[in-house]
Amino acid sequence: SQKIEQNSEALNIQEGKTATLTCNYTNYSPAYLQWYRQDPGRGPVFLLLIRENEKEKRKERLKVTFDTTLKQSLFHITASQPADSATYLCAAYRPGNTGKLIFGQGTTLQVKP
Amino acid sequence: NAGVTQTPKFQVLKTGQSMTLQCAQDMNHNSMYWYRQDPGMGLRLIYYSASEGTTDKGEVPNGYNVSRLNKREFSLRLESAAPSQTSVYFCASSDRRTGDGQPQHFGDGTRLSIL
Repeated sequence: SQKIEQNSEALNIQEGKTATLTCNYTNYSPAYLQWYRQDPGRGPVFLLLIRENEKEKRKERLKVTFDTTLKQSLFHITASQPADSATYLCAAYRPGNTGKLIFGQGTTLQVKP
Repeated sequence: NAGVTQTPKFQVLKTGQSMTLQCAQDMNHNSMYWYRQDPGMGLRLIYYSASEGTTDKGEVPNGYNVSRLNKREFSLRLESAAPSQTSVYFCASSDRRTGDGQPQHFGDGTRLSIL
């Protein structure tokens, strides 16, 4: 079965630097990968979606890449700010799966001023 | 616009008690989902409803039942609570009418402790 693996260790970076989070999948190439942000005590919030045939997607300071050869997606936050501190979840979607997503365990990002 | 609303926000139960977690969405979405989130495990799908009138099992359905009451509401029932069901429960919805891969919208969760 498909597994989504994210680095369980927290990522600590300095304000203004670029944060890079990794999402690896183990089985078939998902048709879509989605990235969510989750703050403590809150539900996940959708950030970006990238399709299998897209190499890169951008939204403001966010950038997502999809490398089907490496079976990996990278999530970048440029010019990071303390307000970016949160847990980021990667989720894979396969067509015909009635909308079901498989989530990674998330990576916690801490941006220090 | 409330989005996805879950009640209650917190609950403590004794082993063997039953309860129903409520979820309602006001976005006219056709698909709804129940997840549980445990430390280090990520979100795991318990049950989902692709459309009104249909429900199906997810990854971890044992010990749970669901009801899709109408298009807006999707409830999760624990018939006989066990300590292993201590978790944070999230409800989500998505609109698949506009195509596959649509993002899911989550409520803020129910924190459930079973003693």
